[in-house]
Amino acid sequence: DAGVTQSPTHLIKTRGQQVTLRCSPKSGHDTVSWYQQALGQGPQFIFQYYEEEERQRGNFPDRFSGHQFPNYSSELNVNALLLGDSALYLCASSPGGGRAYIEQFFGPGTRLTVL
Amino acid sequence: AQSVTQLDSHVSVSEGTPVLLRCNYSSSYSPSLFWYVQHPNKGLQLLLKYTSAATLVKGINGFEAEFKKSETSFHLTKPSAHMSDAAEYFCVVTRNTPLVFGKGTRLSVIA
Repeated sequence: DAGVTQSPTHLIKTRGQQVTLRCSPKSGHDTVSWYQQALGQGPQFIFQYYEEEERQRGNFPDRFSGHQFPNYSSELNVNALLLGDSALYLCASSPGGGRAYIEQFFGPGTRLTVL
Repeated sequence: AQSVTQLDSHVSVSEGTPVLLRCNYSSSYSPSLFWYVQHPNKGLQLLLKYTSAATLVKGINGFEAEFKKSETSFHLTKPSAHMSDAAEYFCVVTRNTPLVFGKGTRLSVIA
């Protein structure tokens, strides 16, 4: 079992550009959550996808959007990048339903740097 | 609303001495509480979790934590620190809602 995988590992973009990050969940998991971890801070919840729909969303602007595919993998898209979007982006997968947050497994993250 | 406060941003211990990382929580209802560890440039690894069963929770690598409702605390301990324990530790609260992380405690282990 490969666990949760994320790509790419590192990414450098410039302000105003758009970026797409990818996540493959752990085998048997159908729910994917995304978190942003700024330098020196704890992760903050962006949103969660289940059954190809956004189910919950944290306090992030509409520039942050996502998608979930039929194979449960997910993408995080960020438009009009700002310097403040520089962070480690973590994907977490879990079984759905009542244990969607209790049984989360995290991937290694994608380090995004915005210049 | 739920929140956690990690009382120390940095803790430094000598190898072989006990570790104590402190966490207080705030939750309107009975929460689930976790401790995660993050090594440099790595993702998050679950150390242990409390989900309303036994109040003393044992985790991986010799860590344990005790849920104290009267003190709203969930402190992480280990009897003897190892060099490999040097990392960032996060206390987390949830009620099967989006995880709420503390700001983290950096643990340094001195040889």
